[in-house]
Amino acid sequence: DTAVSQTPKYLVTQMGNDKSIKCEQNLGHDTMYWYKQDSKKFLKIMFSYNNKELIINETVPNRFSPKSPDKAHLNLHINSLELGDSAVYFCASSQADFAGDTQYFGPGTRLTVL
Amino acid sequence: AQKITQTQPGMFVQEKEAVTLDCTYDTSDPSYGLFWYKQPSSGEMIFLIYQGSYDQQNATEGRYSLNFQKARKSANLVISASQLGDSAMYFCAMRETNTGFQKLVFGTGTRLLVSP
Repeated sequence: DTAVSQTPKYLVTQMGNDKSIKCEQNLGHDTMYWYKQDSKKFLKIMFSYNNKELIINETVPNRFSPKSPDKAHLNLHINSLELGDSAVYFCASSQADFAGDTQYFGPGTRLTVL
Repeated sequence: AQKITQTQPGMFVQEKEAVTLDCTYDTSDPSYGLFWYKQPSSGEMIFLIYQGSYDQQNATEGRYSLNFQKARKSANLVISASQLGDSAMYFCAMRETNTGFQKLVFGTGTRLLVSP
């Protein structure tokens, strides 16, 4: 069973389009995250939700809007896609929100904006 | 300032040898966690090992061990008896608590290549 799953795995789209990436975790975790990995493999947090409540929003353009319908899901909607949005987006989850809590990652969604 | 520094962009090791991947960190928070993740060419991020700032002993998980030197602020990953399947990117990451909103901050990664 996949612990953290994301759909789609690949997403190719035109500039200006709106797209969504879905994430689900079946680990019973309270906290979920979105990370962006750029072309140089650098990983940076974008958002974090704890029990459906937004707790981290890291200087991300407001074209990116996360939505957490319940504890097990955290979706990422991106409006007016730009070339610079091309990256791999990872969803992750953890049991709680303290320093020693391990985050488990989904398989990633490779977004290519043409 | 860079919170997590991985100075080795690439490392080579022969199969069955041990290899050490370096990681230094910067924090003023007394409570923090250090993590290592592996990213194979298939792209997924795989959790390997965790070390807490208050842990007295170095963490170990199978062939992975963490050489934690708190005074030097280093948390090097040691992989013993390397296997071909260990070829991947390895990321060191830190989680602090002082902001009240814990987040994982990653280093730039080290690409490990294991040769037969």
